[in-house]
Amino acid sequence: AAGVIQSPRHLIKEKRETATLKCYPIPRHDTVYWYQQGPGQDPQFLISFYEKMQSDKGSIPDRFSAQQFSDYHSELNMSSLELGDSALYFCASSLTSGPTGELFFGEGSRLTVL
Amino acid sequence: AQKITQTQPGMFVQEKEAVTLDCTYDTSDPSYGLFWYKQPSSGEMIFLIYQGSYDQQNATEGRYSLNFQKARKSANLVISASQLGDSAMYFCAMPGSARQLTFGSGTQLTVLP
Repeated sequence: AAGVIQSPRHLIKEKRETATLKCYPIPRHDTVYWYQQGPGQDPQFLISFYEKMQSDKGSIPDRFSAQQFSDYHSELNMSSLELGDSALYFCASSLTSGPTGELFFGEGSRLTVL
Repeated sequence: AQKITQTQPGMFVQEKEAVTLDCTYDTSDPSYGLFWYKQPSSGEMIFLIYQGSYDQQNATEGRYSLNFQKARKSANLVISASQLGDSAMYFCAMPGSARQLTFGSGTQLTVLP
């Protein structure tokens, strides 16, 4: 079965650079979530989209923005990168009208800021 | 707001034995759910099991089962017949109104040969 696809899997950037992470949800899933997991931390919710509209916002820095496109894929844009942005970034997807238990994560994109 | 507490930073279990990973929660929602995820050292977040608060029976998925005690607000994960490949970080998580997850701090499980 198709899973959530994230790219790139690994990314290395310098401070003050920008980075873009992509997420392709499971087909038919209409909701995408972004999480940030720092080293040794639990994942923290950043932002979510339902039917291409922002549905909820968590602890996302102002330097970050995200959107969901017409094909339901989503991109997380990070600007003015800081060392503390080094983390594993997860995307997850679900079908809002489906069972609550069907929420699946991608393999994550590991961002390293030097 | 939800709160998830995992009080065991690390656990050890002998191969082939069962182990219970604790999770307690706090929520004011009358209807809620609880997820357990496994995160191996490679980093991916693997869905294990889900329990809805109104499910009549405790959830089971293969060697994973949930010991769901609503009155005690606990949803402990039981792994039976532990395998070396079970060594990983385990997270308990609860969805909010928009299904965004709040995670516990995790339990690092090490299975000993």
